[in-house]
Amino acid sequence: QKEVEQDPGPLSVPEGAIVSLNCTYSNSAFQYFMWYRQYSRKGPELLMYTYSSGNKEDGRFTAQVDKSSKYISLFIRDSQPSDSATYLCAMSLYNNNDMRFGAGTRLTVKP
Amino acid sequence: DSGVTQTPKHLITATGQRVTLRCSPRSGDLSVYWYQQSLDQGLQFLIQYYNGEERAKGNILERFSAQQFPDLHSELNLSSLELGDSALYFCASSLYTGGAGETQYFGPGTRLLVL
Repeated sequence: QKEVEQDPGPLSVPEGAIVSLNCTYSNSAFQYFMWYRQYSRKGPELLMYTYSSGNKEDGRFTAQVDKSSKYISLFIRDSQPSDSATYLCAMSLYNNNDMRFGAGTRLTVKP
Repeated sequence: DSGVTQTPKHLITATGQRVTLRCSPRSGDLSVYWYQQSLDQGLQFLIQYYNGEERAKGNILERFSAQQFPDLHSELNLSSLELGDSALYFCASSLYTGGAGETQYFGPGTRLLVL
């Protein structure tokens, strides 16, 4: 079993839909949770960062962490074609150099 | 544009060969990280350098080595290449030592194909 599980999709939604992306993990010691967005032929870029459990909102994006269930989510409201990308979840114990990444979910938002 | 540059963009080589990938971090960033992204393993951390010194090692093979130079650019050396080394190699940089919450900025990657 992988330390971080993420459904690779692909996921296709119409423009304006609410998108839900999820990851589960096995190591209860993870404290920091991130979502990265990776456009085709580009490097990942940090989208959201959360410490411990709870919700964090940034514009159309909401990140949720449920440590009791070892489950994290990213919600995208009013999705746009420009949101079409691969979304990677990541989590770490202490630092950037101990991050574990999910496989990434490929999202397509159709106009 | 993240401000992190990587060269070359693409590299095709043969098994058994040695290649060098180069990375220039964002201006002012002291840490450089190397990652490997493949279809079967996903994105994996290889190694981190901070201000010229090795700071952390991840899943880096003994055939691979890296260094960070006084001008803070970094090189990743891959030797005795195998077919399974074919992957995207990303460099990332951050301002300081890379504590949790410190944003990493990724470069566009080098696509390596070993034939």
